[in-house]
Amino acid sequence: NAGVTQTPKFQVLKTGQSMTLQCAQDMNHNSMYWYRQDPGMGLRLIYYSASEGTTDKGEVPNGYNVSRLNKREFSLRLESAAPSQTSVYFCATAQGGPYGYTFGSGTRLTVV
Amino acid sequence: DQQVKQNSPSLSVQEGRISILNCDYTNSMFDYFLWYKKYPAEGPTFLISISSIKDKNEDGRFTVFLNKSAKHLSLHIVPSQPGDSAVYFCAAIAGSNSGYALNFGKGTSLLVTP
Repeated sequence: NAGVTQTPKFQVLKTGQSMTLQCAQDMNHNSMYWYRQDPGMGLRLIYYSASEGTTDKGEVPNGYNVSRLNKREFSLRLESAAPSQTSVYFCATAQGGPYGYTFGSGTRLTVV
Repeated sequence: DQQVKQNSPSLSVQEGRISILNCDYTNSMFDYFLWYKKYPAEGPTFLISISSIKDKNEDGRFTVFLNKSAKHLSLHIVPSQPGDSAVYFCAAIAGSNSGYALNFGKGTSLLVTP
């Protein structure tokens, strides 16, 4: 099925461990985004890539890095996980322009 | 600082009646507004949108109203159905300079009871 695929769906990390969240899309969209959702906080933008080869910080970038590997893939890396990074992470894509996003189903990350 | 605000965390409505979800914003540079619906354990899905040059957009049971002078928008669902029970997020875009990044509100959890 066409869409946005996030892996893994669930992950438990110990404080200080590192990991990479993967996002791949087959919609041929130009823009890709990483959001985190916390209870009572809505979705907050971590990083985005408006086009292949570019990345920019969003509202809450601290503690994260990203890589736009190619047009299809946009990964989010936690170098040294902290309990404050416990959250549900959503990847989204957009063609560009104000047409709204297509979201993946999310990665639920717990840092203990 | 939250630029998109949904001040009602939850709303309960009887099936068949109207649901009205409200959203306020502070950034006058926002030029496009969207509503997303989210079920548990799923990603948000696009519901309806409106450009800042319009004051109303309708799609079936869903209508979004925009009052630019008040920096307020609302989503009306008529008639409400139990399957509409979900969290609804209001979102806004400030244009290409921000990579068309969406600014989300905190969401309103709608429960439609039979």
